[in-house]
Amino acid sequence: NAGVTQTPKFRILKIGQSMTLQCAQDMNHNYMYWYRQDPGMGLKLIYYSVGAGITDKGEVPNGYNVSRSTTEDFPLRLELAAPSQTSVYFCASSYSGVNYNEQFFGPGTRLTVL
Amino acid sequence: AQKVTQAQTEISVVEKEDVTLDCVYETRDTTYYLFWYKQPPSGELVFLIRGNSFDEQNEISGRYSWNFQKSTSSFNFTITASQVVDSAVYFCALSEPSGAGSYQLTFGKGTKLSVIP
Repeated sequence: NAGVTQTPKFRILKIGQSMTLQCAQDMNHNYMYWYRQDPGMGLKLIYYSVGAGITDKGEVPNGYNVSRSTTEDFPLRLELAAPSQTSVYFCASSYSGVNYNEQFFGPGTRLTVL
Repeated sequence: AQKVTQAQTEISVVEKEDVTLDCVYETRDTTYYLFWYKQPPSGELVFLIRGNSFDEQNEISGRYSWNFQKSTSSFNFTITASQVVDSAVYFCALSEPSGAGSYQLTFGKGTKLSVIP
C-alpha cells in the first residue's frame, strides 16, 4: 500500500493564480482531511470529508474548496492564491470518524505564494 | 473550545538520556482521546501512541511511555534512552467532535526535540 500520497511536493504560485493540490489514499478509508501547517504552529483543519460526496468545513476554510467524487481522492482547490496561503499542506485519512482512530498523513505539499 | 498546550518549544538532550515531552489539554468532553505524533525532518507526520479518558493508564511501548492524568489534564510522553533518530518535532493532539458524527484533531504547536550524539 502506498498509503496517503500527495502531489505536487513543492509549488510556487503568483498572487491570484489558482491550483489544485492532489491527495489520494489506497487504504479504503472513508474519512479524509486537509490541514495546513504554518511555521512554528500545529496543524489546522481546512476541510474534511466523511465519504464520497460529503464534505464539511474545518477551522480555516476561507480561500479553499474541496470535492470528494471517489473514496480514494480528495483534492484541495485554491482560488485566487494569496501570500497568507503560503504554508505546508497535509492530507490525512482515517478508517472512520470515531474519536479513537488515528489519522494517516501524506508527505505534505509545500506551497509558496509570491 | 478545545485547546492543546505544549509549553516546551525546543528541547535538547544528549543521546541515551530520557526525555519527557509535556502536553496539557482543555476539553469539556467526558470521553476523549489524545495522541502523540512525530514529524521527522522529512516532514511526514507519524502516529506514535494514543491515550483515552476512561482508561487512565500509564503505558509503555518499547522506548515510549506516556503518563495520562485527568486530574491535571496532562498527557506527557517519555522517550527512554533517546537516539539521534528521535530528533523531530512532536505534536500532541486532542480528538474533538466536528459535527456530522465525526471527530477532528486539535494539535498543539509542537515540541522540537534534538538528540545530540
